[in-house]
Amino acid sequence: QQQVKQSPQSLIVQKGGISIINCAYENTAFDYFPWYQQFPGKGPALLIAIRPDVSEKKEGRFTISFNKSAKQFSLHIMDSQPGDSATYFCAASMFSGGYNKLIFGAGTRLAVHP
Amino acid sequence: EAQVTQNPRYLITVTGKKLTVTCSQNMNHEYMSWYRQDPGLGLRQIYYSMNVEVTDKGDVPEGYKVSRKEKRNFPLILESPSPNQTSLYFCASSPGLLKNSPLHFGNGTRLTVT
Repeated sequence: QQQVKQSPQSLIVQKGGISIINCAYENTAFDYFPWYQQFPGKGPALLIAIRPDVSEKKEGRFTISFNKSAKQFSLHIMDSQPGDSATYFCAASMFSGGYNKLIFGAGTRLAVHP
Repeated sequence: EAQVTQNPRYLITVTGKKLTVTCSQNMNHEYMSWYRQDPGLGLRQIYYSMNVEVTDKGDVPEGYKVSRKEKRNFPLILESPSPNQTSLYFCASSPGLLKNSPLHFGNGTRLTVT
């Protein structure tokens, strides 16, 4: 199974709140888990990434939590700001066909209200 | 400025009329790829190229062609577009995915086939 399941599809959070987006995977061959952020009219851009040998990675207000046994990982945005309003994609990478293939989740549209 | 440039940004065409979406990167990246983004389906890979004259199918290659005659350019060709190819298309490049290098995306081409 090469799917990455992402939830929720959309999320509304008040300014200052915590935004949480969850992803799950089946294939244990995945070994790298990035998150991409996409603003309207723009292409996705790498936000933060984690490898399965650590359980958490934090960069500023953004944190990835990783649960290897449950095959789940999540993005937490602390003190959410209106400028964080964007679509977020989780992804998982595995070595296949001579390169690291990236599989994306369906995306979460986040709206942070002032 | 390092960037991936796609043209055109918007394209409306009719069924069966051949079209080409251009993609160019100025970062000397070896790896390039095309994705389509559809609501609820995330980003799905159409074709990718590991280097000049080396291309391969992604997950949804039907109805598309690509070529990689130069390192910087990776055009997407729809020989006979159909309405189910109406989508938002992204070109992306990377130094190489062997070390999980981040993907650099263009700003997208919104294609409508009537």
